[in-house]
Amino acid sequence: AQSVTQLDSQVPVFEEAPVELRCNYSSSVSVYLFWYVQYPNQGLQLLLKYLSGSTLVKGINGFEAEFNKSQTSFHLRKPSVHISDTAEYFCAVRSMDSSYKLIFGSGTRLLVRP
Amino acid sequence: DVKVTQSSRYLVKRTGEKVFLECVQDMDHENMFWYRQDPGLGLRLIYFSYDVKMKEKGDIPEGYSVSREKKERFSLILESASTNQTSMYLCATLGTAFNQPQHFGDGTRLSIL
Repeated sequence: AQSVTQLDSQVPVFEEAPVELRCNYSSSVSVYLFWYVQYPNQGLQLLLKYLSGSTLVKGINGFEAEFNKSQTSFHLRKPSVHISDTAEYFCAVRSMDSSYKLIFGSGTRLLVRP
Repeated sequence: DVKVTQSSRYLVKRTGEKVFLECVQDMDHENMFWYRQDPGLGLRLIYFSYDVKMKEKGDIPEGYSVSREKKERFSLILESASTNQTSMYLCATLGTAFNQPQHFGDGTRLSIL
């Protein structure tokens, strides 16, 4: 079985500051990793995904994430945030054993202040 | 682009009512999912369907049922709504490649009074 931990429920930052949203997972098998963003009153939109290969993954809106197998982490980063990045961010994993099931973390609310 | 459409953005119902939430997709995806989203709990899987008329229970199926009569449509049914079913409900789809992301609708915010 897999589980996902997002250590911070809310992260406040000032506009143009860098940000890191943390995600750790546990799994007995190899996994695919995803970050989704949810803007207010909307569904989830894919930010980026890690399937294999290079551990640094670039996504939309200037976000990137780094897969660290030894630390079982997949932290999301952005060097300079905008007000429009205010949203909830979800980390999710799926095992590579052809399971349909996507396991989500509890989410991190990013609050960007002017 | 995959389009996943949920029939209502906001819905208010009374306890004991039978409630239908509808989801339609236009990408011919085999797999469809219903989640509920609650603050601090993330998304929890209610039911999943991998083909027409086929379904599997997710992590929290109690109090819910589903229907998939056509490939593009997946309905979530609250047989007798209760106040603890007040939540945001999200529908998602997935094609046959399991290394691909799920695609989500905009959600239905359901309030049971």
